[in-house]
Amino acid sequence: GESVGLHLPTLSVQEGDNSIINCAYSNSASDYFIWYKQESGKGPQFIIDIRSNMDKRQGQRVTVLLNKTVKHLSLQIAATQPGDSAVYFCAETLPGGFKTIFGAGTRLFVKA
Amino acid sequence: DAGVTQSPTHLIKTRGQQVTLRCSPISGHKSVSWYQQVLGQGPQFIFQYYEKEERGRGNFPDRFSARQFPNYSSELNVNALLLGDSALYLCASISGGAGETQYFGPGTRLLVL
Repeated sequence: GESVGLHLPTLSVQEGDNSIINCAYSNSASDYFIWYKQESGKGPQFIIDIRSNMDKRQGQRVTVLLNKTVKHLSLQIAATQPGDSAVYFCAETLPGGFKTIFGAGTRLFVKA
Repeated sequence: DAGVTQSPTHLIKTRGQQVTLRCSPISGHKSVSWYQQVLGQGPQFIFQYYEKEERGRGNFPDRFSARQFPNYSSELNVNALLLGDSALYLCASISGGAGETQYFGPGTRLLVL
């Protein structure tokens, strides 16, 4: 069935360290992938996206890697800060672009 | 520019009642998607509307319906509420094209008693 899953439900890192959040997706035909950050009581906030014709994309302190061979997506956060503490979701847009499937989320704790 | 707005922010209903949730997309955006997020889970896709037409639907019963107005705002209606409908209902605004970035509103938290 359609699913986007995460390997680690929780991740705890020290402030200043790098964080890596992993995600597996199920539909090899999906062509657009997004990472969202959701803080308590708020809607998901767009972080970074990547299309299937790329394998890496960098933003400010964040990098997304896409491995289509094993259907794996990761989010790297450099120099993690307390403000990065949140739940992170990967999402997969199915062919046609009208339906987005979210994973269950990973909660990131940043220790000061 | 205003972001995505949703109303109400919170709502309490009883089983069997009907509810209407509202969403206004970002100015210039022509498409909205609706999601249901149960506590502790990721958002689940319900509908996407573009130019007042439904162009995608998730695995939700017919009790869930939506519409989009000429100004691109949207309403989500849920009939015959069940306890399991308690969730955060999110609206996402999209500029229009398939596979474009979705920007989420703060959500409406619905509690069904």
